[in-house]
Amino acid sequence: EVQLVQSGAELKKPGESLKISCKGSGYNFTNYWIGWVRQMPGKGLEWMGIIYPGDSDTRYSPSFQGQVTFSVDRSISTAYLQWRSLKASDTAMFYCARPLTINAFDIWGQGTLVTVSS
Amino acid sequence: EIVLTQSPGTLSLSPGDRATLSCRASQNISSSFVVWYQQKPGQAPRLLIYGASNRATGIPDRFSGSGSGTDFTLTISRLEPEDFAVYYCQPGFTFGPGTKVDIK
Repeated sequence: EVQLVQSGAELKKPGESLKISCKGSGYNFTNYWIGWVRQMPGKGLEWMGIIYPGDSDTRYSPSFQGQVTFSVDRSISTAYLQWRSLKASDTAMFYCARPLTINAFDIWGQGTLVTVSS
Repeated sequence: EIVLTQSPGTLSLSPGDRATLSCRASQNISSSFVVWYQQKPGQAPRLLIYGASNRATGIPDRFSGSGSGTDFTLTISRLEPEDFAVYYCQPGFTFGPGTKVDIK
């Protein structure tokens, strides 16, 4: 079964760093892009960007460029989303997803809830 | 930058009704890139339609997509209880604001 499994919920303080993960299984991880999507509490979906695990080619949405970093570890079929210094406004659910076509994502992780509060 | 609108913001209907959801872009979009998702509370989005009119695997045929240029439509022919949810269009990578379909 093709699936993406994300790391568990996080409670962090402003200024702290964080790296959440998305582990792919059931398919060749290096052959498919992985996208990241933010959903703030009670709000809609926001496209953050994508990374190609095969060569780490990365495209960020302008809204998230410089705010987060995508990375992969091909040896363990895992993609990462990282923050250097969290803000309260980073509180959200974050999803990773794998595309069926260039922008149609049919496989989704279960989401990682990140809460940033002092 | 493409501006997306989805209308209506909320659609209040009864089971068995037909639902027509609109997605409009501020400039022409290739139909190849128009995608629709369904999201229920506490769940990840679910792919419904890609390429404007192709149903994803396992999606019932009561869901259909159409449109071209700047105007795209998701139609649910007869609402089932499990269809009450939020629907997002995604022409390209940016998501629309969503339409909530709730029970009248």
